[in-house]
Amino acid sequence: DAGVTQSPTHLIKTRGQQVTLRCSPKSGHDTVSWYQQALGQGPQFIFQYYEEEERQRGNFPDRFSGHQFPNYSSELNVNALLLGDSALYLCASSLVGGGSYNEQFFGPGTRLTVL
Amino acid sequence: AQKVTQAQTEISVVEKEDVTLDCVYETRDTTYYLFWYKQPPSGELVFLIRRNSFDEQNEISGRYSWNFQKSTSSFNFTITASQVVDSAVYFCALSEAFDKLIFGTGTRLQVFP
Repeated sequence: DAGVTQSPTHLIKTRGQQVTLRCSPKSGHDTVSWYQQALGQGPQFIFQYYEEEERQRGNFPDRFSGHQFPNYSSELNVNALLLGDSALYLCASSLVGGGSYNEQFFGPGTRLTVL
Repeated sequence: AQKVTQAQTEISVVEKEDVTLDCVYETRDTTYYLFWYKQPPSGELVFLIRRNSFDEQNEISGRYSWNFQKSTSSFNFTITASQVVDSAVYFCALSEAFDKLIFGTGTRLQVFP
């Protein structure tokens, strides 16, 4: 049973460029959340996708956008990169259900460096 | 507003010592979930425990134990007889709606042989 996978593992970009990160959820999961983890900090929620729609969004500018495909995989796009966007980007998947909390499973992350 | 505070930035212990990681949270909701995650140098977040706001029973799992106290809004994590493999960054997190996780800043635990 494959867990959450993310690609690429590492990425180096320069300021002003655009980047796309990819995530494949755990088998059977239909919801994908993205988090940004700056060095020495805890992960910060960016947004969550369910049924190909953005379901909830954290406090991130519009430069951060996403997409979810019919197979539940997801992309995170960041435009006009800033030095401060350098971070580990984590993807988490879960299965939406009624009532109780839906546990999130995290991928290994993509480390983005902006020069 | 929701917030998680981990006041201990870094803790160093010698193997076999017991260590407690503190977590204080803030929320206005009556229904919420609390978590602990471990992040080894590889970067992947490893789930350790989930607690809902209606279950204040303490839990023990092997060398790990958790103390949840709503009266003080705390959810502390104790490792008994620490081992070098316990060295990692540990995060406490809070969830209210739509599974969005709010993390603390983490506590780096270093266990020396």
